[in-house]
Amino acid sequence: EADIYQTPRYLVIGTGKKITLECSQTMGHDKMYWYQQDPGMELHLIHYSYGVNSTEKGDLSSESTVSRIRTEHFPLTLESARPSHTSQYLCASSLAAASTDTQYFGPGTRLTVL
Amino acid sequence: AQSVSQHNHHVILSEAASLELGCNYSYGGTVNLFWYVQYPGQHLQLLLKYFSGDPLVKGIKGFEAEFIKSKFSFNLRKPSVQWSDTAEYFCASRMDSSYKLIFGSGTRLLVRP
Repeated sequence: EADIYQTPRYLVIGTGKKITLECSQTMGHDKMYWYQQDPGMELHLIHYSYGVNSTEKGDLSSESTVSRIRTEHFPLTLESARPSHTSQYLCASSLAAASTDTQYFGPGTRLTVL
Repeated sequence: AQSVSQHNHHVILSEAASLELGCNYSYGGTVNLFWYVQYPGQHLQLLLKYFSGDPLVKGIKGFEAEFIKSKFSFNLRKPSVQWSDTAEYFCASRMDSSYKLIFGSGTRLLVRP
């Protein structure tokens, strides 16, 4: 069972607010990921990190930003939330060895921007 | 571009029925393949994975999947479903040595008691 945590689980917020979605894992995984998922749709990678101070954008363009100052922590920030940001955001982590890489997912944050 | 197709978006079965969910991937090279499950209100969990070797992979809770390279398929099967299998199932692929997981759009399974 993977130990990866996301807070908050649900967030309803007004347009223009700055928000930070938290993600932490206690497994010592080097790689961490953020996915965006709309209802009935596939997950899309929006950010990933190979390790501390390493972040890259994923396939799906996103106005969010991420940071990786500590191995266990990978927060996602939206400077000014808009209704188009309404979605579910899933955090995941994995070990560094690509040949046996399995991603473990957190419970997700369901964001609604009014 | 690499893609994953799950052709059944919604499946409704009665308990004890057999299950097969289709998954096709597009990449022609070496791939790693995964099935994840998301039970209502819970996070995505790994059901099973294929990296190499025996193309018939057994996972948790009685699920299995068969990798058929010639058909670019990795279908999920269970001989007898239970009400507790009601969930959303996602197939995913990854090119060998890549970090990127490509997900299908998911299949919602409803098992009626």
